[in-house]
Amino acid sequence: GQQLNQSPQSMFIQEGEDVSMNCTSSSIFNTWLWYKQDPGEGPVLLIALYKAGELTSNGRLTAQFGITRKDSFLNISASIPSDVGIYFCAGRPGDKLVFGAGTILRVKS
Amino acid sequence: SAVISQKPSRDICQRGTSLTIQCQVDSQVTMMFWYRQQPGQSLTLIATANQGSEATYESGFVIDKFPISRPNLTFSTLTVSNMSPEDSSIYLCSVRWGDGYTFGSGTRLTVV
Repeated sequence: GQQLNQSPQSMFIQEGEDVSMNCTSSSIFNTWLWYKQDPGEGPVLLIALYKAGELTSNGRLTAQFGITRKDSFLNISASIPSDVGIYFCAGRPGDKLVFGAGTILRVKS
Repeated sequence: SAVISQKPSRDICQRGTSLTIQCQVDSQVTMMFWYRQQPGQSLTLIATANQGSEATYESGFVIDKFPISRPNLTFSTLTVSNMSPEDSSIYLCSVRWGDGYTFGSGTRLTVV
């Protein structure tokens, strides 16, 4: 079946730092989505990408749909403590979503 | 986007029993999905539930274990049957809304 490789698996952030994560796929996707999940909650959509090469921003978040349609990245600029959580990429080859394993963002102490 | 209410939010159940999870959407939607999220893991699709037809199950999931109802365009239920500790997970419903997908807050199930 289709698989998404999401990296890094986890990372520590210090307030003010920029953060980057990415996903790659063995298959072509029509849509890439990035979600954030806080403890005890369902995933919340951050950014949706619909075209190869598309670069989209949502506040401090920027995501791109790779030209090959097999990858996407998410950048968070000037991180703040509330950015802590789990970030998932998801690809949509048809009507269903395929999720990456997630990137856990923790605060560096 | 659509707003999803999922009940119960959490439950602790005895092994061998069944639990039915409800998902109510504030708008009519064609496609509803049920996911499982095992502890510390990502989301895995269990099945797609469309109104008026039988649910379509993903590999590794069967109707006898996870029966689904979809009586109308705003409601669905997922039952976890004959539970064992391995069924301890978060179960989430999701709907397709335009080109995006919205999720409920999940049901945290612990089987003892």
